[in-house]
Amino acid sequence: KAGVTQTPRYLIKTRGQQVTLSCSPISGHRSVSWYQQTPGQGLQFLFEYFSETQRNKGNFPGRFSGRQFSNSRSEMNVSTLELGDSALYLCASSYNPGDTEAFFGQGTRLTVV
Amino acid sequence: DAKTTQPTSMDCAEGRAANLPCNHSTISGNEYVYWYRQIHSQGPQYIIHGLKNNETNEMASLIITEDRKSSTLILPHATLRDTAVYYCIVRPVYNQGGKLIFGQGTELSVKP
Repeated sequence: KAGVTQTPRYLIKTRGQQVTLSCSPISGHRSVSWYQQTPGQGLQFLFEYFSETQRNKGNFPGRFSGRQFSNSRSEMNVSTLELGDSALYLCASSYNPGDTEAFFGQGTRLTVV
Repeated sequence: DAKTTQPTSMDCAEGRAANLPCNHSTISGNEYVYWYRQIHSQGPQYIIHGLKNNETNEMASLIITEDRKSSTLILPHATLRDTAVYYCIVRPVYNQGGKLIFGQGTELSVKP
């Protein structure tokens, strides 16, 4: 079956703009988590969604938001982009929160100029 | 903050066993040890996890010390495709959430 799909794979935005990233989980998976990866901070947890509800949130400013749809697909949005938001954004899915194994997508590489 | 300490980098010869150590001296009784790896330009991939007994699967073996303060991930016959960053993570047994706290990991280079 298909893995976790993230779109787009690459994105270039200008400071001050906003961006929306999409994640389609593995079929049947209902839990989706988002992570930001930068060279300086490494992999950091952003938030987790299950059954269209945010269950957990990392330590990021309110400019970072997300949502989950009834088909379990998830989007994350970053408003008023800053240069420091340049990162690889990774999405992971599992059947339920806390499942043994989380399956990661290949990520969206966001560059803010 | 990550609750684990790993060496920044390690080298291993192709075909030899790769032994990746992890220190988790503050681990509590209700926390598992998980290992993930991230091959360049890909998302992290689950490898193995354990509570207190040694575990083995088709990818690797996990050896946890009796006091559970450290563990070693063993790749028995490393190949070039095992070159990746390996993350050791501690996670509550009863965690009902999917949050993973990654540290800096160990960059393993498998050389021919």
